Amino acid sequence: GEDVEQSLFLSVREGDSSVINCTYTDSSSTYLYWYKQEPGAGLQLLTYIFSNMDMKQDQRLTVLLNKKDKHLSLRIADTQTGDSAIYFCADAVSNDYKLSFGAGTTVTVRA
Amino acid sequence: ETGVTQSPTHLIKTRGQQVTLRCSSQSGHNTVSWYQQALGQGPQFIFQYYREEENGRGNFPPRFSGLQFPNYSSELNVNALELDDSALYLCASSPAERGAYGYTFGSGTRLTVV
Repeated sequence: GEDVEQSLFLSVREGDSSVINCTYTDSSSTYLYWYKQEPGAGLQLLTYIFSNMDMKQDQRLTVLLNKKDKHLSLRIADTQTGDSAIYFCADAVSNDYKLSFGAGTTVTVRA
Repeated sequence: ETGVTQSPTHLIKTRGQQVTLRCSSQSGHNTVSWYQQALGQGPQFIFQYYREEENGRGNFPPRFSGLQFPNYSSELNVNALELDDSALYLCASSPAERGAYGYTFGSGTRLTVV
């Protein structure tokens, strides 16, 4: 993929659900990922979804994929203070090698 | 616990100098990629190595080069450093050639060029 876009900031109250949105432009995108980056740290893979899936759930995380609209979202249930971080959406095309990242969404969890 | 380790964690270099960054990939991961993350931006793909051969390159000039070794370690070399090379450099490894199941990232090397 090439262009991946995300909203830059999200503020959420502790215990509420967070929804982070991402759009991508490459219709050949085969794999879509969500990574988390805490201050001073590298990237932690949270979850990924193949393009032939609509939804994937993993404990507090739910990924929704609308392939027609090229829209990906990550829902975090019962958001905790430890969820404060930058979240990156990334895509990869099956015949390519690179991950194309968005600019990241900074999630701030307030008490 | 195995993972991806990078060294050094921080580095300051002068414009025009050369730098070598090192990465030790997770055991069994024969694909390694390098990314540059400028402040406030998402990571940008530099290149990827699979079984010691470069098999993909992003939009970076030839002064960015790399090596992968049989022991799952790799290097990123940057010649003729420029101020804009200041960034966090991330190494990522995967057991699959095309990273279908995601990449494991290291914590990065913060390079400052003055």
